[in-house]
Amino acid sequence: AQSVTQPDIHITVSEGASLELRCNYSYGATPYLFWYVQSPGQGLQLLLKYFSGDTLVQGIKGFEAEFKRSQSSFNLRKPSVHWSDAAEYFCAVGAHNQGGKLIFGQGTELSVKP
Amino acid sequence: ETGVTQTPRHLVMGMTNKKSLKCEQHLGHNAMYWYKQSAKKPLELMFVYSLEERVENNSVPSRFSPECPNSSHLFLHLHTLQPEDSALYLCASSLGSDRGSSPLHFGNGTRLTVT
Repeated sequence: AQSVTQPDIHITVSEGASLELRCNYSYGATPYLFWYVQSPGQGLQLLLKYFSGDTLVQGIKGFEAEFKRSQSSFNLRKPSVHWSDAAEYFCAVGAHNQGGKLIFGQGTELSVKP
Repeated sequence: ETGVTQTPRHLVMGMTNKKSLKCEQHLGHNAMYWYKQSAKKPLELMFVYSLEERVENNSVPSRFSPECPNSSHLFLHLHTLQPEDSALYLCASSLGSDRGSSPLHFGNGTRLTVT
């Protein structure tokens, strides 16, 4: 069965500092991987996705993520965090024949201090 | 209007009430989903509709009843809910429920409180 683990429930970084949010998945085949962001009172917005090919994927808002098969990880990174990045971030895994039936991690809440 | 729209944004209901949540998508997608987001828990998939047919029901109690009259509209009918059903209910859509490469597009959710 598929599963997703986001080990960090809450992270605080200073504005301008770099960011890495961890995501580990469990899936028997090559997964489809996603990162979503949720601001308070809002739905989830897609940041980026990985299906195949280049293991480093670029997303919106200056985010990127790297797929590492050997580590079953898909960590999200940003070189310089802005105060507007404060939100909750969700990693999700899906399968090629399961469409939107994604399995989500518990989320990582990001706080940004000035 | 574009994207996925959910109404109402907030709903407070008693355990004996009957209410409905509405979702509308303007993206030309043919799959729609209901997810439940509770505090401190991962998002839980409740129902999946593909081309107006229900293709998944994840052991959701019968007090939740979905309806998909066409590919643009999705409803969640609620009756005799329990306080533990209080949560954010998110609607989403995608190009196809069997296409893993088609990402989900979410609405802003309905915050439901059951008293």
